[in-house]
Amino acid sequence: DSGVTQTPKHLITATGQRVTLRCSPRSGDLSVYWYQQSLDQGLQFLIHYYNGEERAKGNILERFSAQQFPDLHSELNLSSLELGDSALYFCASSPRTGGGHTDTQYFGPGTRLTVL
Amino acid sequence: QQQVKQSPQSLIVQKGGISIINCAYENTAFDYFPWYQQFPGKGPALLIAIRPDVSEKKEGRFTISFNKSAKQFSLHIMDSQPGDSATYFCAAPLTDTGRRALTFGSGTRLQVQP
Repeated sequence: DSGVTQTPKHLITATGQRVTLRCSPRSGDLSVYWYQQSLDQGLQFLIHYYNGEERAKGNILERFSAQQFPDLHSELNLSSLELGDSALYFCASSPRTGGGHTDTQYFGPGTRLTVL
Repeated sequence: QQQVKQSPQSLIVQKGGISIINCAYENTAFDYFPWYQQFPGKGPALLIAIRPDVSEKKEGRFTISFNKSAKQFSLHIMDSQPGDSATYFCAAPLTDTGRRALTFGSGTRLQVQP
């Protein structure tokens, strides 16, 4: 158990809908990262928040957004869902921002999103 | 986004054998090379990591070998066990994120036969 929690575990929805995935980092960790894992694209970085502020963006679609709240939990919002958005979404946390060198990242169990 | 090339895609090893997974990279600014292990239905878990100031790091049955001149690093699993059957990912820092995020290899599915 990494100490990172994610809810829900599974989510089934229809095209065009909007969903919110939630992540609670390990106690004391200030950084939260979101990754998407799909069969064709592998494990890809989406976005990073540190202590409530966005710090880095990866291949995140404009239909996707995230935020980190004062209690450090984070939410990933996916809207106008398409079939191709079906994937596993992982949240990871680390103690610091990683500026200058990379911190160890601890992954949550993921949310499996199925878009029908 | 994939900046590390991992091979092989899949690997079958007999119990007690050595499993070897390789990764190659181009960006000499990489300064951290972790390996993650993922079981079905679970998130990736950090297995072992190395920084480029050493050529080898060993933790139990798991060893990372790092070759800076060849820009390659590999994971060796000694005395492989059926419980090691999982997917393994190499990774490196995404330098265009200030090393704040990771780029992952495509993964190696390891099957250890009893």
